Amino acid sequence: GIQVEQSPPDLILQEGANSTLRCNFSDSVNNLQWFHQNPWGQLINLFYIPSGTKQNGRLSATTVATERYSLLYISSSQTTDSGVYFCAVAANSGYSTLTFGKGTMLLVSP
Amino acid sequence: EAGVTQFPSHSVIEKGQTVTLRCDPISGHDNLYWYRRVMGKEIKFLLHFVKESKQDESGMPNNRFLAERTGGTYSTLKVQPAELEDSGVYFCASSQGLARQYFGPGTRLTVT
Repeated sequence: GIQVEQSPPDLILQEGANSTLRCNFSDSVNNLQWFHQNPWGQLINLFYIPSGTKQNGRLSATTVATERYSLLYISSSQTTDSGVYFCAVAANSGYSTLTFGKGTMLLVSP
Repeated sequence: EAGVTQFPSHSVIEKGQTVTLRCDPISGHDNLYWYRRVMGKEIKFLLHFVKESKQDESGMPNNRFLAERTGGTYSTLKVQPAELEDSGVYFCASSQGLARQYFGPGTRLTVT
């Protein structure tokens, strides 16, 4: 099946700093979503971005499908940004089920 | 438009007991998925319904797990009997076609 690798696995930032999270995948995809899992365990959808670039406030994401990677940018980070960020993809060749990466654990300190 | 809802939000049961989780997808979404995150590991797919039919149940860990989708609307996931390693967060998602999946808030299951 498709492989999804996220980097870095852990990230510690000072409040106000910027960061870039990366997601590499091993096959062509028809779906790519970024999620933030908050401290209560809920999955918050950030972006549905199988290709192209999107922005939502301090967050933006870019997926270069031909090169099989996606980037999530967090600018001016806040303590509420802490949590685990997951990338998930659905392969073109398979069913529509999502395969998740292992996540990036982000800690933003005041 | 109402989102995906899940019930209960949290369940604590003893090993050997039975628990039933419920998911109500977004109205009109034919595709319904179950995923789970256990022991701080990555989120794993369990199964996929298209309307009332199981499209793919390759992620179901064993026969202690039984999923149903009555009339192609809500879905239940029963764990019987529950084991310690079943503890985790169970997510339900729905979609219309091969598009964005909308996730529910999850059910946190604790087996003691």
